[in-house]
Amino acid sequence: ILNVEQSPQSLHVQEGDSTNFTCSFPSSNFYALHWYRWETAKSPEALFVMTLNGDEKKKGRISATLNTKEGYSYLYIKGSQPEDSATYLCAFIKYTGTASKLTFGTGTRLQVTL
Amino acid sequence: NAGVTQTPKFRILKIGQSMTLQCTQDMNHNYMYWYRQDPGMGLKLIYYSVGAGITDKGEVPNGYNVSRSTTEDFPLRLELAAPSQTSVYFCASSYGGDSNQPQHFGDGTRLSIL
Repeated sequence: ILNVEQSPQSLHVQEGDSTNFTCSFPSSNFYALHWYRWETAKSPEALFVMTLNGDEKKKGRISATLNTKEGYSYLYIKGSQPEDSATYLCAFIKYTGTASKLTFGTGTRLQVTL
Repeated sequence: NAGVTQTPKFRILKIGQSMTLQCTQDMNHNYMYWYRQDPGMGLKLIYYSVGAGITDKGEVPNGYNVSRSTTEDFPLRLELAAPSQTSVYFCASSYGGDSNQPQHFGDGTRLSIL
């Protein structure tokens, strides 16, 4: 993996379903991984910042895990609601000793219907 | 809470015209960033700044210039607009360059070059 890849590109689930998606990133020189939630016509908002292998973070029904050795992070949404509909972006930071420059994936677009 | 404010929200330019996209933040963040978002692509870093008077190129700087005379403001200038610069532009800021600091985004400027 040379860049940040997210899968699937899009996902359509029904209200109440639980779902998860993947962010893959280069495992060498890992520094941090960010998850952002991006609603249509709004700006991206930070969900999680993860720095340690094995990290697990949780905010309400949304949680994330991190595996830096194999270069992936999972985002889980339990009991999806229509308000969870958004694009979920992950961004990787490679250690360079300089400013926190993020490399973004193209996102997973989630649509939750009633 | 204003956060990161971008102006204008929309703009149409003719090829060859110039304009400045404004970005200001009221969080006393040292680090500021400009990204562009093209369809099907992740956010790409154009320029960033680690503090007043200091700027550096990101991944896609060609055709753009920036300045950082104050902590609050980080304008992005297009000197000779080209159709390839049609995009949505996002400004962001963070407290520091540390990887565990999330970035805070403005609402974006949608720019069309015709």
